Amino acid sequence: QVQLQESGPGLVKPSETLSLTCAVSGYSISSGYYWGWIRQPPGKGLEWIGSIYHSGSTYYNPSLKSRVTISVDTSKNQFSLKLSSVTAADTAVYYCASSFSYFDYWGQGTLVTVSS
Amino acid sequence: EIVLTQSPGTLSLSPGERATLSCRASQSVSSSYLAWYQQKPGQAPRLLIYGASSRATGIPDRFSGSGSGTDFTLTISRLEPEDFAVYYCQQYGSSLSWTFGQGTKVEIK
Repeated sequence: QVQLQESGPGLVKPSETLSLTCAVSGYSISSGYYWGWIRQPPGKGLEWIGSIYHSGSTYYNPSLKSRVTISVDTSKNQFSLKLSSVTAADTAVYYCASSFSYFDYWGQGTLVTVSS
Repeated sequence: EIVLTQSPGTLSLSPGERATLSCRASQSVSSSYLAWYQQKPGQAPRLLIYGASSRATGIPDRFSGSGSGTDFTLTISRLEPEDFAVYYCQQYGSSLSWTFGQGTKVEIK
């Protein structure tokens, strides 16, 4: 069974870069799947941030594209998210997930608060 | 970009009742690329339905999905206490993008 675990700072200052990593176990990233990031502001719905294919091809939400970078490290079996120039509006629970056209395995999520 | 609109925003029902949740797309969506999720407070979403009508592993048969084109439905035939949660639809687009609806909350009446 695929398991995913997010890690990274829980507090980021405005204008700085949010960085998160998703460690994958039970499956080799290089074997296939898309690997994605989804976020959920407190009390609100789900927003897809972007995804990376195991080959390294990336796909981003147009509304966030200018600030997002997703990368994969197959040697560590993990993938990462960087979101630059954050504001309070980026405060959310960030999830990583595996997907084809649907997201089948999810991490537990990590709350990132943007505040000085 | 395809926009998914879910209705109603909140559904107030009693255990044992039937729940019908709607997801309407701004453009036609391939049935193969429409999914439904359940989310309980403090938990990650859980995949219920993929391909518009296929139940994910371990999902009870009281959950069913249907629809095509721009109109999709999630039906819970008889609500169990553990079914009260928020439900999201999601589509996968030809431009390699994923979009969620805004969610429907099913609450106890």
